[in-house]
Amino acid sequence: GQNIDQPTEMTATEGAIVQINCTYQTSGFNGLFWYQQHAGEAPTFLSYNVLDGLEEKGRFSSFLSRSKGYSYLLLKELQMKDSASYLCAVSPFGGATNKLIFGTGTLLAVQP
Amino acid sequence: GAVVSQHPSWVICKSGTSVKIECRSLDFQATTMFWYRQFPKQSLMLMATSNEGSKATYEQGVEKDKFLINHASLTLSTLTVTSAHPEDSSFYICSADRGAGNTIYFGEGSWLTVV
Repeated sequence: GQNIDQPTEMTATEGAIVQINCTYQTSGFNGLFWYQQHAGEAPTFLSYNVLDGLEEKGRFSSFLSRSKGYSYLLLKELQMKDSASYLCAVSPFGGATNKLIFGTGTLLAVQP
Repeated sequence: GAVVSQHPSWVICKSGTSVKIECRSLDFQATTMFWYRQFPKQSLMLMATSNEGSKATYEQGVEKDKFLINHASLTLSTLTVTSAHPEDSSFYICSADRGAGNTIYFGEGSWLTVV
């Protein structure tokens, strides 16, 4: 089966750093994605990891450890507009390319 | 601009009727598209993989006769919710694969309300 876990909710302060964790157990692995989703809107792509290590893109970084089935999304210099749901998604091996299985999502609230 | 477009953005239909949602790739050909459903405050749930020129592949628990998927061309997939009921009210999102790696594009999503 496929299982992807994230914390349900997190709260952080404007200007701070927050780390959102994701653990996964899937039938295979073909890459891990992080998306941001504001209420009522479609997901917006943030990052993609297929090899172990850290990928940095501006205020957002994503880390992957395939041996541990673990990833995190790091958000720096938090802004109020970062309040959103953050979705971890895995593309399992063996299915159609980029068939994504989504985690439960983490609702992040950024407070002044 | 958007590379995957969904239509309609929102639709209200009466219980028992059918409603069709379109997903178009605007400037690339997509042999594979995916349909997701999202209930309020929940994550995206994969419903089915839409394959151009062949039958869709449905995830476990998704009724293929209720959620009809047609992928007749390389730029268009449609999802038809047949005999809709209030519990089918949800946010439906499609995605299209432009190629290998991180080239997945999501449509804007379609809100369906069944009354």
